[in-house]
Amino acid sequence: GENVEQHPSTLSVQEGDSAVIKCTYSDSASNYFPWYKQELGKGPQLIIDIRSNVGEKKDQRIAVTLNKTAKHFSLHITETQPEDSAVYFCAAHNFGNEKLTFGTGTRLTIIP
Amino acid sequence: ETGVTQTPRHLVMGMTNKKSLKCEQHLGHNAMYWYKQSAKKPLELMFVYNFKEQTENNSVPSRFSPECPNSSHLFLHLHTLQPEDSALYLCASSQETGGAGSSPLHFGNGTRLTVT
Repeated sequence: GENVEQHPSTLSVQEGDSAVIKCTYSDSASNYFPWYKQELGKGPQLIIDIRSNVGEKKDQRIAVTLNKTAKHFSLHITETQPEDSAVYFCAAHNFGNEKLTFGTGTRLTIIP
Repeated sequence: ETGVTQTPRHLVMGMTNKKSLKCEQHLGHNAMYWYKQSAKKPLELMFVYNFKEQTENNSVPSRFSPECPNSSHLFLHLHTLQPEDSALYLCASSQETGGAGSSPLHFGNGTRLTVT
């Protein structure tokens, strides 16, 4: 089955700087990669996603890049703000077997 | 609000108790899910319901019993749990099953379960 590894597990960034979270996946049949943000006391919320036919997608301060050859994808947050502090999860989805596999999460802390 | 409401938010129960978790979605979705979230582990899919029919049971112990009376409501009945079952239990919904790109998952805020 699919295996998704996520790094780092914790990340502290000065406010205004950029943050990058990286994930690798094992199943080359995976073709959809969402990112979820989980704030304290809340459930995960989808913040951005990318399909396998696209290499990069951007939405304001967040962007996701995908390298299908290397089987890795990354979340980039620019101009970080205190409200970006949360746990971020990557996931990989295989349309063939309809399995969505999550990474173990990255706790991002923005230092004011 | 996420459109997916879970109750209770917190639950403490003994190993011999019977309790139920409730989930309601107001998004008109057809698929509902139970996930278990434990510290430093990936989200674990437990059950999937599509149009009220269970389509997946991810080798979950029988002390967890799901019920889906309609497409908007999902329950998780708990009995004779173990301390290692303590976790955050998340309900999610999507338009279609599989968490596919055309129908991403919408999560509730979870029930924090502690088994003593």
